[in-house]
Amino acid sequence: RKEVEQDPGPFNVPEGATVAFNCTYSNSASQSFFWYRQDCRKEPKLLMSVYSSGNEDGRFTAQLNRASQYISLLIRDSKLSDSATYLCVVNPRTGGFKTIFGAGTRLFVKA
Amino acid sequence: GAGVSQSPSNKVTEKGKDVELRCDPISGHTALYWYRQSLGQGLEFLIYFQGNSAPDKSGLPSDRFSAERTGGSVSTLTIQRTQQEDSAVYLCASSLEMVSYEQYFGPGTRLTVT
Repeated sequence: RKEVEQDPGPFNVPEGATVAFNCTYSNSASQSFFWYRQDCRKEPKLLMSVYSSGNEDGRFTAQLNRASQYISLLIRDSKLSDSATYLCVVNPRTGGFKTIFGAGTRLFVKA
Repeated sequence: GAGVSQSPSNKVTEKGKDVELRCDPISGHTALYWYRQSLGQGLEFLIYFQGNSAPDKSGLPSDRFSAERTGGSVSTLTIQRTQQEDSAVYLCASSLEMVSYEQYFGPGTRLTVT
């Protein structure tokens, strides 16, 4: 089993749609969780951290479910500019700062 | 302020040659990471440096790969006797110690081995 797993997609949605991604992780001791966004042929950029209490940033909501060992990202009112690959990132906290990136979920938002 | 910079942006080399890739992290960031991303694939962790601690080299795919970080700042990733399967984008990232684990990435070096 991979340490971090994501549905690769692609997700094809119309503008204005709500779309949700899930990511599962295998190490129950993991402490830090993030969502990154990567545009085609660009470097990943932090989208948001994921806190135990859940957090929201505009149209984006991230949640953590420790019992089931998954994190989620919800995008409301999708924009064309949201088209990208969304990477789930987990820090297992087994001795330092090593982080594990999921393979990413591709999102295409269409007009 | 200045972000993470990497050089060269593109490198084409012949199979069997050695290459050096450079990363300049954000000033004040004590953690530095190297990743590799093949076309259409996710990020593969290679190595990280944290302050003066011994680096975690667990992700290096073979002994042809090595990395140094001098003075706690600039890092160089060296690939010896390059192979075609080494072709990928090599990404460097840095982060603050003890504040967060949020990583800031450089634009990457696209390595092509012919």
